[in-house]
Amino acid sequence: AQTVTQSQPEMSVQEAETVTLSCTYDTSESDYYLFWYKQPPSRQMILVIRQEAYKQQNATENRFSVNFQKAAKSFSLKISDSQLGDAAMYFCAYRSAANNDMRFGAGTRLTVKP
Amino acid sequence: DSGVTQTPKHLITATGQRVTLRCSPRSGDLSVYWYQQSLDQGLQFLIHYYNGEERAKGNILERFSAQQFPDLHSELNLSSLELGDSALYFCASSGLGSYTQYFGPGTRLTVL
Repeated sequence: AQTVTQSQPEMSVQEAETVTLSCTYDTSESDYYLFWYKQPPSRQMILVIRQEAYKQQNATENRFSVNFQKAAKSFSLKISDSQLGDAAMYFCAYRSAANNDMRFGAGTRLTVKP
Repeated sequence: DSGVTQTPKHLITATGQRVTLRCSPRSGDLSVYWYQQSLDQGLQFLIHYYNGEERAKGNILERFSAQQFPDLHSELNLSSLELGDSALYFCASSGLGSYTQYFGPGTRLTVL
């Protein structure tokens, strides 16, 4: 079964600085999708960014970008110019292309210091 | 706003009781997924429905069941509730051919 590991339970960053959140996954599949979701104190799950495994180019959404290393099964999230509103739990998720089962990591709590 | 709605927002009940959580997917989405998030933990996949049919089951207890109706809304039924069932229950939906799931605001269940 696929597993998703987020090795950093907590991270902190200074406002306007850059932070990288780590995520690794275990799979024997070649076709899959990866996601980062943000969960602020409101507990809403908000899609931050997504990546198709067949695409070599790393996804970017404004200040958010990923470093997708397929061979290493690594999918890190970089947040540039961190803002106070970025403070939240961040979850990495894996979805197989063969089915709709999505697996989540345990999350990383990001604190942004003013 | 993801377009996915869930009711109620909060639910407080006692052990042994039965509750029903409701989810309306985004307009046009045929797939509905249910997840459970216990305190400060990741999300656990419970079950997936597509156009009224069950497609996949995850870590769903036998005391829990779900269904999706012809109008595509879904209900998650939790029975014989235990203290450990207290959690945030999320519904998500996705469209045909889409691999992205969009989440509702969740229902917070408290079992006393």
